Amino acid sequence: SAVISQKPSRDICQRGTSLTIQCQVDSQVTMMFWYRQQPGQSLTLIATANQGSEATYESGFVIDKFPISRPNLTFSTLTVSNMSPEDSSIYLCSVRTGRGNEQFFGPGTRLTVL
Amino acid sequence: GENVEQHPSTLSVQEGDSAVIKCTYSDSASNYFPWYKQELGKRPQLIIDIRSNVGEKKDQRIAVTLNKTAKHFSLHITETQPEDSAVYFCAASGGDSNYQLIWGAGTKLIIKP
Repeated sequence: SAVISQKPSRDICQRGTSLTIQCQVDSQVTMMFWYRQQPGQSLTLIATANQGSEATYESGFVIDKFPISRPNLTFSTLTVSNMSPEDSSIYLCSVRTGRGNEQFFGPGTRLTVL
Repeated sequence: GENVEQHPSTLSVQEGDSAVIKCTYSDSASNYFPWYKQELGKRPQLIIDIRSNVGEKKDQRIAVTLNKTAKHFSLHITETQPEDSAVYFCAASGGDSNYQLIWGAGTKLIIKP
């Protein structure tokens, strides 16, 4: 499996501000995903980060609120814009390595918005 | 689109007993079914998966079975230990969802000493 890191691991932010979360993989991967997980809940896919093109967003998530970059095959960022307390959650990146359908997760970013 | 239902939401078993978690899926074209374990404050970790061309797969104390006709798959943990306490998620992909994983709601497994 790939080694995946995320920065920051946690942050406390003021409403109205933005936070950019970074996801770094130790090898080139075909697909990268961004998820949100509320406490005690399942995982909700925000978007698929496409290398060299715009991300593909799931229903209920829009680019203006969650802009995503993926400049190469090992790195992606997710920005949570104009934050409100409802954005408080754990944000996880995951990767699909291409050898199969397996997806592996980064350690997550715990975001608290005051 | 694909929908995955998972039961039970909470499962409490005595240490040493077996635990079974069940999931059903709606898209008959789904062909990949992973199980993840998430300990408190940690990332989801892939523990076992099965593809639609097999009916059962084992890895030490854990096993997964797949019934394509009934569109359900199950996770079996034998000889449970305290470290098995966690939230377990099933997922499905393939079919209309293609590469995306469609997730179950999760099962909190509690191992009683």
